[in-house]
Amino acid sequence: SAVISQKPSRDICQRGTSLTIQCQVDSQVTMMFWYRQQPGQSLTLIATANQGSEATYESGFVIDKFPISRPNLTFSTLTVSNMSPEDSSIYLCSVVQVTQGPYTFGSGTRLTVV
Amino acid sequence: AQSVTQLDSHVSVSEGTPVLLRCNYSSSYSPSLFWYVQHPNKGLQLLLKYTSAATLVKGINGFEAEFKKSETSFHLTKPSAHMSDAAEYFCVVTNNDYKLSFGAGTTVTVRA
Repeated sequence: SAVISQKPSRDICQRGTSLTIQCQVDSQVTMMFWYRQQPGQSLTLIATANQGSEATYESGFVIDKFPISRPNLTFSTLTVSNMSPEDSSIYLCSVVQVTQGPYTFGSGTRLTVV
Repeated sequence: AQSVTQLDSHVSVSEGTPVLLRCNYSSSYSPSLFWYVQHPNKGLQLLLKYTSAATLVKGINGFEAEFKKSETSFHLTKPSAHMSDAAEYFCVVTNNDYKLSFGAGTTVTVRA
């Protein structure tokens, strides 16, 4: 299965600033996703990162707040923009190679906004 | 659209006794189902998965789950709990769009 390097592992940011999270995969994968895990809660899908085109966002998430890039089949970034304390969460990258599986998750980025 | 309901937010068992974590799902298609475990401040670990093969699925660390289509359930069991099983458990479903829908999670505590 694929191996993911997600950076940074944690950060403390000032409100109103932006943070970009990177997800690097050691092999080409079909699907890449970004999830959010708010404190004490389950994981919620933010968006599907599409190679070379705009990401597909789930209900409640918008591109202006969470811009996503995926320039190739092994790399994606998620930016959390104009942060507020409510954005304090763990953000996870996940990948899957269609027809082969399994799903792989990054180790997560623990974001605290102060 | 698919969804998952984990029927117990918290389960407490004594070490050496059976564990049962209940999960019901809703899906418009033939789903794939997973159980993941998350230990405190750790990443997600796949316990087992169902992908339309055998309905009784065996996973790691002695866990197993049974897919029951008539009951739309995918309950997770382990015959004998160990202290190291204390963690958060997530039941997860996906359809043919490959998006994962997570249940709310079940916290398992194991009493010595």
